[in-house]
Amino acid sequence: QVQLEESGGGVVQPGESLRLSCAASGFPFNQSSFHWVRQAPGKGLEWVAVISYDGKITKYTDSVKGRFTISRDNSKNTVYLLMNSLKTEDTGVFYCARDGNLYCSGSTCTYFDYWGPGTQVTVSS
Amino acid sequence: DIQLTQSPSTLSASVGDRITITCRASQTVSSWLAWYQQKPGKSPKVLIYQASKVESGVPSRFSGSGSGTEFTLTISSLQPDDFATYYCQQYNNYWTFGQGTKVEI
Repeated sequence: QVQLEESGGGVVQPGESLRLSCAASGFPFNQSSFHWVRQAPGKGLEWVAVISYDGKITKYTDSVKGRFTISRDNSKNTVYLLMNSLKTEDTGVFYCARDGNLYCSGSTCTYFDYWGPGTQVTVSS
Repeated sequence: DIQLTQSPSTLSASVGDRITITCRASQTVSSWLAWYQQKPGKSPKVLIYQASKVESGVPSRFSGSGSGTEFTLTISSLQPDDFATYYCQQYNNYWTFGQGTKVEI
Protein backbone atom coordinates (compact mmCIF):
# COMPACT_ATOMS: atom_id res chain seq x y z
CA GLN A 1 0.00 0.00 0.00
CA VAL A 2 1.04 3.60 -0.52
CA GLN A 3 3.08 4.95 2.37
CA LEU A 4 4.76 8.29 2.93
CA GLU A 5 6.88 8.92 6.01
CA GLU A 6 8.37 12.30 6.88
CA SER A 7 11.40 12.80 9.09
CA GLY A 8 13.93 15.46 9.96
CA GLY A 9 11.83 17.85 11.97
CA GLY A 10 13.03 19.37 15.20
CA VAL A 11 13.62 22.52 17.21
CA VAL A 12 15.93 25.15 15.74
CA GLN A 13 16.68 28.82 16.27
CA PRO A 14 15.74 31.55 13.81
CA GLY A 15 18.20 31.69 10.93
CA GLU A 16 19.14 28.03 11.17
CA SER A 17 18.49 25.25 8.67
CA LEU A 18 16.72 21.89 8.57
CA ARG A 19 16.34 19.23 5.92
CA LEU A 20 13.12 17.25 5.89
CA SER A 21 12.86 13.88 4.19
CA CYS A 22 9.85 12.02 2.85
CA ALA A 23 10.37 8.31 2.24
CA ALA A 24 7.84 6.73 -0.12
CA SER A 25 6.89 3.12 -0.72
CA GLY A 26 4.18 0.96 -2.23
CA PHE A 27 4.00 2.55 -5.69
CA PRO A 28 6.29 3.53 -8.62
CA PHE A 29 8.03 6.54 -7.10
CA ASN A 30 9.38 7.93 -10.38
CA GLN A 31 5.87 8.33 -11.82
CA SER A 32 4.66 10.68 -9.12
CA SER A 33 5.07 14.32 -8.24
CA PHE A 34 5.16 15.42 -4.63
CA HIS A 35 4.19 18.40 -2.52
CA TRP A 36 5.07 19.76 0.88
CA VAL A 37 2.24 21.30 2.88
CA ARG A 38 2.55 22.95 6.28
CA GLN A 39 0.16 23.65 9.10
CA ALA A 40 0.95 26.24 11.76
CA PRO A 41 -0.26 25.44 15.29
CA GLY A 42 -4.05 25.63 15.39
CA LYS A 43 -4.20 26.96 11.84
CA GLY A 44 -5.15 25.74 8.38
CA LEU A 45 -3.20 24.10 5.60
CA GLU A 46 -0.70 25.96 3.43
CA TRP A 47 0.88 24.58 0.29
CA VAL A 48 4.66 25.08 0.32
CA ALA A 49 6.32 23.45 -2.69
CA VAL A 50 5.98 20.90 -5.49
CA ILE A 51 8.45 18.82 -7.45
CA SER A 52 7.61 17.06 -10.68
CA TYR A 53 8.04 13.32 -11.20
CA ASP A 54 11.36 13.84 -12.98
CA GLY A 55 12.63 16.58 -10.71
CA LYS A 56 12.84 19.08 -13.55
CA ILE A 57 10.07 21.39 -12.36
CA THR A 58 9.80 22.90 -8.90
CA LYS A 59 7.48 25.61 -7.63
CA TYR A 60 7.23 27.39 -4.28
CA THR A 61 4.86 29.59 -2.36
CA ASP A 62 6.12 33.17 -2.26
CA SER A 63 6.95 33.20 1.45
CA VAL A 64 9.60 30.48 1.09
CA LYS A 65 11.11 31.34 -2.29
CA GLY A 66 14.87 31.70 -1.99
CA ARG A 67 14.90 29.98 1.41
CA PHE A 68 13.47 26.50 0.77
CA THR A 69 14.56 23.97 -1.85
CA ILE A 70 12.60 20.86 -2.79
CA SER A 71 14.45 17.96 -4.38
CA ARG A 72 14.15 14.23 -4.90
CA ASP A 73 16.33 11.15 -5.22
CA ASN A 74 14.53 8.59 -7.36
CA SER A 75 17.12 5.94 -6.45
CA LYS A 76 16.15 6.30 -2.78
CA ASN A 77 12.41 6.90 -3.26
CA THR A 78 12.79 10.04 -1.18
CA VAL A 79 11.75 13.66 -1.46
CA TYR A 80 13.53 16.39 0.47
CA LEU A 81 12.80 19.90 1.67
CA LEU A 82 15.87 21.92 2.58
CA MET A 83 14.83 24.87 4.71
CA ASN A 84 17.34 27.68 5.21
CA SER A 85 17.05 30.96 7.09
CA LEU A 86 14.17 29.62 9.13
CA LYS A 87 11.79 32.09 10.73
CA THR A 88 9.51 31.72 13.73
CA GLU A 89 6.54 31.83 11.35
CA ASP A 90 7.80 28.62 9.69
CA THR A 91 6.83 26.71 12.84
CA GLY A 92 4.32 23.94 12.22
CA VAL A 93 3.71 20.42 11.05
CA PHE A 94 5.10 19.70 7.61
CA TYR A 95 3.35 17.09 5.49
CA CYS A 96 4.56 15.35 2.37
CA ALA A 97 1.78 14.57 -0.11
CA ARG A 98 1.60 12.71 -3.39
CA ASP A 99 -0.06 14.33 -6.36
CA GLY A 100 -3.05 12.44 -7.73
CA ASN A 101 -2.00 12.88 -11.37
CA LEU A 102 0.77 10.61 -12.64
CA TYR A 103 3.59 12.25 -14.56
CA CYS A 104 2.30 15.72 -13.82
CA SER A 105 4.54 18.74 -14.10
CA GLY A 106 3.65 21.86 -12.18
CA SER A 107 0.57 23.25 -13.86
CA THR A 108 -0.83 19.80 -14.67
CA CYS A 109 -0.58 18.61 -11.09
CA THR A 110 -3.80 18.23 -9.20
CA TYR A 111 -5.10 17.24 -5.77
CA PHE A 112 -3.20 15.29 -3.13
CA ASP A 113 -4.22 11.66 -2.87
CA TYR A 114 -1.89 10.42 -0.14
CA TRP A 115 -0.31 12.23 2.79
CA GLY A 116 2.33 11.31 5.32
CA PRO A 117 1.71 11.66 9.06
CA GLY A 118 3.79 14.85 9.22
CA THR A 119 6.88 16.05 11.03
CA GLN A 120 7.01 18.92 13.53
CA VAL A 121 9.25 21.91 12.90
CA THR A 122 9.66 24.44 15.69
CA VAL A 123 11.62 27.64 15.14
CA SER A 124 12.17 29.45 18.39
CA SER A 125 14.83 31.46 20.15
CA ASP B 1 -3.47 34.39 -5.84
CA ILE B 2 -6.79 32.59 -5.63
CA GLN B 3 -8.43 32.89 -2.23
CA LEU B 4 -10.92 30.35 -0.92
CA THR B 5 -13.49 31.26 1.72
CA GLN B 6 -15.38 28.53 3.53
CA SER B 7 -18.62 28.95 5.42
CA PRO B 8 -19.45 28.39 8.10
CA SER B 9 -16.20 28.30 10.08
CA THR B 10 -17.83 26.11 12.69
CA LEU B 11 -20.91 23.95 12.33
CA SER B 12 -22.73 22.32 15.22
CA ALA B 13 -24.67 19.23 14.20
CA SER B 14 -25.99 15.90 15.40
CA VAL B 15 -25.64 12.34 14.20
CA GLY B 16 -28.01 11.78 11.29
CA ASP B 17 -28.07 15.43 10.20
CA ARG B 18 -27.59 16.47 6.61
CA ILE B 19 -24.94 19.19 6.46
CA THR B 20 -23.55 21.41 3.75
CA ILE B 21 -20.29 23.35 3.71
CA THR B 22 -19.70 26.08 1.13
CA CYS B 23 -16.43 27.11 -0.49
CA ARG B 24 -16.21 30.30 -2.56
CA ALA B 25 -13.25 31.15 -4.77
CA SER B 26 -12.04 34.68 -5.47
CA GLN B 27 -11.89 33.82 -9.18
CA THR B 28 -12.95 30.87 -11.24
CA VAL B 29 -11.22 27.55 -10.63
CA SER B 30 -13.37 25.68 -13.15
CA SER B 31 -13.93 22.26 -11.52
CA TRP B 32 -10.44 21.98 -10.09
CA LEU B 33 -11.48 21.74 -6.49
CA ALA B 34 -10.97 19.08 -3.83
CA TRP B 35 -12.29 18.51 -0.32
CA TYR B 36 -10.30 17.03 2.57
CA GLN B 37 -11.18 15.79 6.03
CA GLN B 38 -8.73 16.23 8.89
CA LYS B 39 -9.04 14.87 12.40
CA PRO B 40 -7.00 16.22 15.33
CA GLY B 41 -3.37 15.10 15.20
CA LYS B 42 -3.84 13.38 11.85
CA SER B 43 -3.00 14.21 8.27
CA PRO B 44 -5.74 15.27 5.83
CA LYS B 45 -7.60 12.69 3.77
CA VAL B 46 -9.07 13.47 0.37
CA LEU B 47 -12.82 12.99 0.02
CA ILE B 48 -13.77 14.68 -3.26
CA TYR B 49 -11.73 15.81 -6.28
CA GLN B 50 -12.63 17.64 -9.46
CA ALA B 51 -15.53 19.19 -7.52
CA SER B 52 -17.80 16.15 -7.54
CA LYS B 53 -15.78 12.95 -7.95
CA VAL B 54 -15.71 10.80 -4.83
CA GLU B 55 -12.30 9.35 -4.00
CA SER B 56 -12.15 5.57 -3.88
CA GLY B 57 -13.05 4.20 -0.48
CA VAL B 58 -14.93 7.29 0.67
CA PRO B 59 -18.47 6.59 1.93
CA SER B 60 -21.31 7.49 -0.41
CA ARG B 61 -22.80 9.90 2.13
CA PHE B 62 -20.15 12.41 1.02
CA SER B 63 -20.87 14.38 -2.15
CA GLY B 64 -19.58 17.52 -3.81
CA SER B 65 -21.00 19.93 -6.33
CA GLY B 66 -20.33 23.24 -8.01
CA SER B 67 -18.11 24.85 -10.60
CA GLY B 68 -16.55 28.21 -11.29
CA THR B 69 -16.45 30.03 -7.97
CA GLU B 70 -19.00 28.30 -5.74
CA PHE B 71 -18.79 24.77 -4.39
CA THR B 72 -20.45 22.67 -1.73
CA LEU B 73 -19.59 19.57 0.27
CA THR B 74 -22.61 17.67 1.58
CA ILE B 75 -22.74 14.88 4.12
CA SER B 76 -26.15 13.27 3.75
CA SER B 77 -26.35 11.65 7.17
CA LEU B 78 -23.67 12.67 9.65
CA GLN B 79 -21.93 9.78 11.40
CA PRO B 80 -19.86 9.89 14.62
CA ASP B 81 -16.68 9.42 12.57
CA ASP B 82 -17.45 12.56 10.54
CA PHE B 83 -16.82 15.06 13.31
CA ALA B 84 -13.66 16.70 12.00
CA THR B 85 -12.38 19.75 10.15
CA TYR B 86 -13.00 20.01 6.42
CA TYR B 87 -10.92 21.97 3.92
CA CYS B 88 -11.51 22.85 0.30
CA GLN B 89 -8.51 23.20 -2.02
CA GLN B 90 -8.22 24.66 -5.48
CA TYR B 91 -5.66 23.37 -7.97
CA ASN B 92 -6.53 25.51 -10.98
CA ASN B 93 -3.63 27.86 -10.36
CA TYR B 94 -1.07 26.60 -7.92
CA TRP B 95 -2.69 25.25 -4.76
CA THR B 96 -4.58 27.04 -2.01
CA PHE B 97 -6.81 25.86 0.81
CA GLY B 98 -9.82 27.34 2.47
CA GLN B 99 -9.52 28.25 6.14
CA GLY B 100 -11.42 25.15 7.25
CA THR B 101 -14.82 24.25 8.68
CA LYS B 102 -14.96 22.47 12.00
CA VAL B 103 -17.92 20.13 12.33
CA GLU B 104 -18.71 19.55 15.99
CA ILE B 105 -21.46 18.12 18.10
